[in-house]
Amino acid sequence: GAVVSQHPSWVICKSGTSVKIECRSLDFQATTMFWYRQFPKQSLMLMATSNEGSKATYEQGVEKDKFLINHASLTLSTLTVTSAHPEDSSFYICSAILPEGHFEAFFGQGTRLTVV
Amino acid sequence: KQEVTQIPAALSVPEGENLVLNCSFTDSAIYNLQWFRQDPGKGLTSLLLIQSSQREQTSGRLNASLDKSSGRSTLYIAASQPGDSATYLCAVNTDKLIFGTGTRLQVFP
Repeated sequence: GAVVSQHPSWVICKSGTSVKIECRSLDFQATTMFWYRQFPKQSLMLMATSNEGSKATYEQGVEKDKFLINHASLTLSTLTVTSAHPEDSSFYICSAILPEGHFEAFFGQGTRLTVV
Repeated sequence: KQEVTQIPAALSVPEGENLVLNCSFTDSAIYNLQWFRQDPGKGLTSLLLIQSSQREQTSGRLNASLDKSSGRSTLYIAASQPGDSATYLCAVNTDKLIFGTGTRLQVFP
């Protein structure tokens, strides 16, 4: 199947700093990627849809200025958590849908963010 | 707004049992539905993908059915094993993938 690579797999940062998470589609071009957040023992919550060459579409309640998304190429989307606070600690995971065939979704390995 | 619910929220069974996990969604205008497995602290593993025009898909001991008109999907796990212990998530694709609430499964020897 298609491969989506996410980096880093885990990161610890101090409060007030910014953290960038990368999501790459390794063997296909993805005009659209998705960013999710998962709290412990909960399901995945869609944060935003990343669109190549245009602005991201954020879900209701997600702060655009807090979670900056850039989709500069057909294989790379980045999520930057700005001015991180301990409450931003969570598991972040990206996804890309194969643009042809069955439109199957593939996921990165996820990033565990801990803000201290 | 699409809402996806899974029942039960948690399930603990002895190995060897046949299991049924349920997923329901409120908007039937979907492209497809996927079932995933997630181990603790890990990412997602895709198990089965059912297109909106299909009724079921099978992979090994797993069988997933889809009744789009009623907004339901069921994942059957045959002859469960301890290695099946994980959280199972269904997700519906309507231009974006919306996840269900998840079922935490524990299969004990």
